[in-house]
Order: sequence, then structure tokens, then C-alpha cells
Amino acid sequence: GQNIDQPTEMTATEGAIVQINCTYQTSGFNGLFWYQQHAGEAPTFLSYNVLDGLEEKGRFSSFLSRSKGYSYLLLKELQMKDSASYLCAVHDNFNKFYFGSGTKLNVKP
Amino acid sequence: EAQVTQNPRYLITVTGKKLTVTCSQNMNHEYMSWYRQDPGLGLRQIYYSMNVEVTDKGDVPEGYKVSRKEKRNFPLILESPSPNQTSLYFCASSSGRNQPQHFGDGTRLSIL
Repeated sequence: GQNIDQPTEMTATEGAIVQINCTYQTSGFNGLFWYQQHAGEAPTFLSYNVLDGLEEKGRFSSFLSRSKGYSYLLLKELQMKDSASYLCAVHDNFNKFYFGSGTKLNVKP
Repeated sequence: EAQVTQNPRYLITVTGKKLTVTCSQNMNHEYMSWYRQDPGLGLRQIYYSMNVEVTDKGDVPEGYKVSRKEKRNFPLILESPSPNQTSLYFCASSSGRNQPQHFGDGTRLSIL
């Protein structure tokens, strides 16, 4: 079966760095996406990895290891507005998407 | 403005009364998809469409139907809704299967 695991909740301090992990087991792999979802809103795209390594995009970076079925999202210089849920999604070989249950990040002053 | 529009945003209805949630995108995207989001379960894909007249089941298709007669529209149909279909529903579209998805604002359905 398909399995995407993320921590349920994390807390970090404004200005700090936080790493949100995602492990996956899927039948086939065609890329991994990270989305941000503020409470009561739609998810919005953050980053995409299909090859191993680090993708950097301003304060956000995402890493992928296909052999380990592992990805992380790194958020630097945390701001209060980063308080949100972060969703890991895997695209399999059959055009389907599987999402983790999301990691709720609380940023405190 | 590029957007995915869902209607209605909120609906309370009763078991067995057929309903349709519409989804329309103005970005000429080929790939469209429907998800439901439940606490602790995350987003689960219901159906997706690679292009006009091409639809396929996602992870949780039971109790739902879709159609893709035009590129811009992808309605979700609940022929005989039941209380376990009470959920938050999102429609999404992308320009290709490996491209980021753009999500609508969501439809909160309550089936009594």
C-alpha cells in the first residue's frame, strides 16, 4: 500500500530553523511536492523534488533521497506567518497523488 | 487572475439527495483532480483527469462520479450522499502531471 509519514505537530521559535521530515513508501515514484496550508485555506505549492539532492528557494529548501524514501522541508529565519500545516505529497507512476496527513507548525515569538 | 473556482463553498444537505460540486479553472490546465480532506487523514485523491474525456479513480473513489466534457470544468457528483461523505473537498489543476497543483478554496459538505 501507499504510506506517507510526517510528524503531526512541531513548535519552533521565530528566527530559528526547522526541519520537517517526510518518509514514503509508494508503488512507484515520479516526484515529491511540498505544500503549505494555512488554517481554513487551500494548500499552496512550495517546492518539488524528483532527483536526489537539495532544492533551494529563498527561505525554503527541500531535500530528497529516493533510495531512503525520505524528504525534508527546511524553513530558515522563521516568521510568525510560517505557522501553518505543511503537506508532503508523492506522485506515483500512475498519475495519482498521495498526501501525508500534514505537519502543523507552530511558530512562537 | 489565474484561479480554480469551486461552487458551492458550503452545503448542508440530507442523505440520498443527489448533489454536484462544480470546479472550473481558467489556466488551460490538462490535469485536474478532486480531493477530500479529513482530520488526521490528510488529503485523499478521489478522481483525477488527464484531459478531456479521460478520467480515472484515485485512492477513495467509492460513492463519487466525475466527468470531463470540457477542459476547464471537472464537476464532482455525489449520486446518493451519505454521512461518511461529510468532508472538506478541494479541486485542483495543473499544467501537467509533474507540475504544481493549484487548489480551489474548498467546499465544506455536511451530509445529515
